[in-house]
Amino acid sequence: KQEVTQIPAALSVPEGENLVLNCSFTDSAIYNLQWFRQDPGKGLTSLLLIQSSQREQTSGRLNASLDKSSGRSTLYIAASQPGDSATYLCAVTGNNNDMRFGAGTRLTVKP
Amino acid sequence: DAGVTQSPTHLIKTRGQQVTLRCSPKSGHDTVSWYQQALGQGPQFIFQYYEEEERQRGNFPDRFSGHQFPNYSSELNVNALLLGDSALYLCASSLGGPRNTIYFGEGSWLTVV
Repeated sequence: KQEVTQIPAALSVPEGENLVLNCSFTDSAIYNLQWFRQDPGKGLTSLLLIQSSQREQTSGRLNASLDKSSGRSTLYIAASQPGDSATYLCAVTGNNNDMRFGAGTRLTVKP
Repeated sequence: DAGVTQSPTHLIKTRGQQVTLRCSPKSGHDTVSWYQQALGQGPQFIFQYYEEEERQRGNFPDRFSGHQFPNYSSELNVNALLLGDSALYLCASSLGGPRNTIYFGEGSWLTVV
């Protein structure tokens, strides 16, 4: 059974810092990995989708990497802003189309 | 272009009652998945519908059932509600299965008292 873990559970940084969020998964037989953002009480917004054959994806200040063999992904946020404050979730889709989420990292960016 | 829409946004039910939640997928999407998210946890996969059939199911009891209509909209039904069913229920849609970018609705908050 696929287990997805996100570390740290919570992170607080001053505005302008670069930061890294971590995601690990136990079964490397994945089809893709997605990073999502969730604002309090809201649904999820997809940030980046990395296919299993890819190593990284970039969108603006966000960069996500994938190392399937070691079961790890990182989300890098450059020059953080208060508007980046949210919970960030990673999810892996297995070859059986089953999507499993981590518990998320709650990010606070202080002005 | 309307995204994924869910209704109702909030509801309160009593233990033992039944509830129906509704979801309209993003325009053009044919695959709908349902998730349960407890406070402080990541979403847990309930089931997925494609071409009006349940294609995948997570580790949820038979009290949780669903349906997909010809227009791809979907319903989630939960019978014999328990206090532990209190959660945010999220609907997500994608095109051609779950392997493409998935779009989530804002969710339905269910409180069981």
